[in-house]
Amino acid sequence: KNQVEQSPQSLIILEGKNCTLQCNYTVSPFSNLRWYKQDTGRGPVSLTIMTFSENTKSNGRYTATLDADTKQSSLHITASQLSDSASYICVVKAGTYKYIFGTGTRLKVLA
Amino acid sequence: NAGVTQTPKFRVLKTGQSMTLLCAQDMNHEYMYWYRQDPGMGLRLIHYSVGEGTTAKGEVPDGYNVSRLKKQNFLLGLESAAPSQTSVYFCASSYLGTGVTGELFFGEGSRLTVL
Repeated sequence: KNQVEQSPQSLIILEGKNCTLQCNYTVSPFSNLRWYKQDTGRGPVSLTIMTFSENTKSNGRYTATLDADTKQSSLHITASQLSDSASYICVVKAGTYKYIFGTGTRLKVLA
Repeated sequence: NAGVTQTPKFRVLKTGQSMTLLCAQDMNHEYMYWYRQDPGMGLRLIHYSVGEGTTAKGEVPDGYNVSRLKKQNFLLGLESAAPSQTSVYFCASSYLGTGVTGELFFGEGSRLTVL
């Protein structure tokens, strides 16, 4: 069964601190993996994409990693800001129009 | 650019009533999707469309119908609403093309409550 599991479920950190979100997947076939950010009351927006051959990719203060052997990905947020408070969803593309969604990690950044 | 627009944003229905959610995209995307998002669960696919005039069932299609008469619009209908359909509904679209990565572009969501 195709599955995407994320941890932790929720996380509270102080502004300026770093954090790492985890995503484990068992999806076949694997096309790519994206991290989406979903602000409260809004739709998800793509942050970064990882393909099978990529290990690390950065987008500003966001750095995603992918280990295709262990089927794990992480999203590292550096120097967190209040605006980083959101849910972060790991999504694996499993075909032309098939996407497997994780349940998300809810991040709260406190001043 | 408007991107993906959903209407209405909020709606309260009584059990047994019907309604239609409208999704419009201005990116000329071939693929369009309707998902529902419930607490503690990942987004689940209700129906999708790979082009004008075509629709297909997703993983939770029961109680819903869809139509795609125009490429830019994708309608989701509830013929007889049930409390189990209380959810936040998201429309998304993606581009078809060789080598593309299939990024999903989402609307802002429609919050539906069925009493």
